[in-house]
This record gives sequence, C-alpha cells and structure tokens, in this order.
Amino acid sequence: AQTVTQSQPEMSVQEAETVTLSCTYDTSESDYYLFWYKQPPSRQMILVIRQEAYKQQNATENRFSVNFQKAAKSFSLKISDSQLGDAAMYFCAYRDRSNTGKLIFGQGTTLQVKP
Amino acid sequence: DADVTQTPRNRITKTGKRIMLECSQTKGHDRMYWYRQDPGLGLRLIYYSFDVKDINKGEISDGYSVSRQAQAKFSLSLESAIPNQTALYFCATSDSRASVLQFFGPGTRLTVL
Repeated sequence: AQTVTQSQPEMSVQEAETVTLSCTYDTSESDYYLFWYKQPPSRQMILVIRQEAYKQQNATENRFSVNFQKAAKSFSLKISDSQLGDAAMYFCAYRDRSNTGKLIFGQGTTLQVKP
Repeated sequence: DADVTQTPRNRITKTGKRIMLECSQTKGHDRMYWYRQDPGLGLRLIYYSFDVKDINKGEISDGYSVSRQAQAKFSLSLESAIPNQTALYFCATSDSRASVLQFFGPGTRLTVL
C-alpha cells in the first residue's frame, strides 16, 4: 500500500525568507501524481502545486516550487519570499493512475510565518 | 457561488445520535469522495462514489454509511455517533474524464460529546 510521510509537524520561517517542507512517499508504481495542498485557518483545502511522476522537470507556481526526487521518493515544497498569508497547514498527497482517483495524504506540516 | 458545498459547517452532537452530513456540487463531476481529517493523521478516505450506483469503501469506512442520491449529492451518515468520530469531514469531487484534480468542499467540523 502506498504511504505518505511528512516528518515535520511544525515549521517556522521569517517573513521574506525561504522555507522547505519535506515529504516522502512509498509506492511500487512508476507513474503517479503528487500534490501539495494548503489549509489556512478557514479550513479550505487549496491546491498549491502538482507534479506528474513521468515529468523530470520540477513544477513551479510563482513563489512555490518542488524538489521531486523520484528515486529517493521525495517531494519537498519550497516557499520563497514567505508572506504572512502563507501561514497554514500544508499537506502532501499522492495519487496513482488507477481508476479510483483516491488521494493519500501525509500527516501535515503547520507553517508559522514570523513578521 | 461555491462549487462544492457542505452542510452543516459545524455540528455538536451526543453519543448515540444519528448524524447526516450532506455534500452538494454544481461542477457536474461524476466522482465524489468523503474524507475525515484528524490531527497528526492528515486526511483519510471514508467512502467514494463513481456514480449513483457505484459506492466503494475507503480505508476507514467502519461506523459510516453513505448515499449518492443524485450525481450532485453525496451524504455521509453516522448511524450511532461516538466520540472518536469527532473530526473535520471533507467532501471532494473530481471529473474522471477531464482531470486528476479533486475539488474540496469547505469542511464540516463534527464534535461528538
């Protein structure tokens, strides 16, 4: 069974600095999808970025980028120029290419941004 | 207008009560999912549905049941609520023909006393 692990329950960063959130996963599949979701205090689940395993190039969305290391089964999220609005819980999620479309989530990392 | 709505947003109930959480979507998606979120555990899948006649158990379905009344509506029931079902519950939808993305509702905070 696939698993996703986020080993950092909490992280903090100074405003305008860079922070990296870690995520590792376990799967026997070769093709799959990985996601980072943001959950602010409003509870809404917001998609931050996605990565397709067959693409070697790391995904980037404005200040958010990933470091996808397929062989190491690692998928970290880098937030550059951190802003107060980035404070939230961040979830890493895995989806295989099967027909179910199920997402498997990590435990979450709470990010605090200090002014 | 929200594409995926959940009612109620917050609910406090007592042990043994029957509770129904409702999810509606206007996205026209065929697939719907129910997840629960617990501190330190992330989100875990309870049930999912591919269409009105196709309901499937997720990894933590014990103590829950679901009903897909229409393509747009997917309800989650707790027949006899217990305190360890206190959690944040999310409904999500996806379009199997178009995208791998899931779209989440705003969540329901359920407290069982």
